[in-house]
Amino acid sequence: EAEVAQSPRYKITEKSQAVAFWCDPISGHATLYWYRQILGQGPELLVQFQDESVVDDSQLPKDRFSAERLKGVDSTLKIQPAELGDSAMYLCASSRRASHQGPSSGNTIYFGEGSWLTVV
Amino acid sequence: GEDVEQSLFLSVREGDSSVINCTYTDSSSTYLYWYKQEPGAGLQLLTYIFSNMDMKQDQRLTVLLNKKDKHLSLRIADTQTGDSAIYFCAESIKAAGNKLTFGGGTRVLVKP
Repeated sequence: EAEVAQSPRYKITEKSQAVAFWCDPISGHATLYWYRQILGQGPELLVQFQDESVVDDSQLPKDRFSAERLKGVDSTLKIQPAELGDSAMYLCASSRRASHQGPSSGNTIYFGEGSWLTVV
Repeated sequence: GEDVEQSLFLSVREGDSSVINCTYTDSSSTYLYWYKQEPGAGLQLLTYIFSNMDMKQDQRLTVLLNKKDKHLSLRIADTQTGDSAIYFCAESIKAAGNKLTFGGGTRVLVKP
């Protein structure tokens, strides 16, 4: 079964350093999402891509976070400089498309295993 | 606005039924989902229900949707120790590109 791949699984970094996470969605999936999950809370959307274009980054702290999906396939999420409050799990997800068609049309959102970030 | 609420914790004995509840505020929800998260892992889609349905059954899982009260529940029949996990309710809204808005999760502990 195809999976969403993420790396690294675990990252410890000092505050003010830069950190980057990589995601490879399921082959053929046009939509890619980055979510942040703080311990004890539900995931929150940071950014959504449709192919190579950003369609929603309203919750992305743009002063320190950036995301790109240059060729519309894999994606990188960067944090610079990292702050203590950025400690969380960063989840990548993908779906075939983002439209009015939901899971009953095969447009299910699949999540990767996540990347744990600890900022010290 | 979007707001999804869940109770924090549920303890159940192995073999009993579990019921996890969720409330949401946005009446324009298109789909409602239940995801399962095991320790240190990503999210696994368990089931979903379209907003014009009121019930969906899938093996041991039964989803009930009360649109009037904006209340969603997940019933797990014959709960097993492997069902111990955090369960997240989520909604998606067609007008918002079908992005998922999650509740805070319910931690389910199954006791032998």
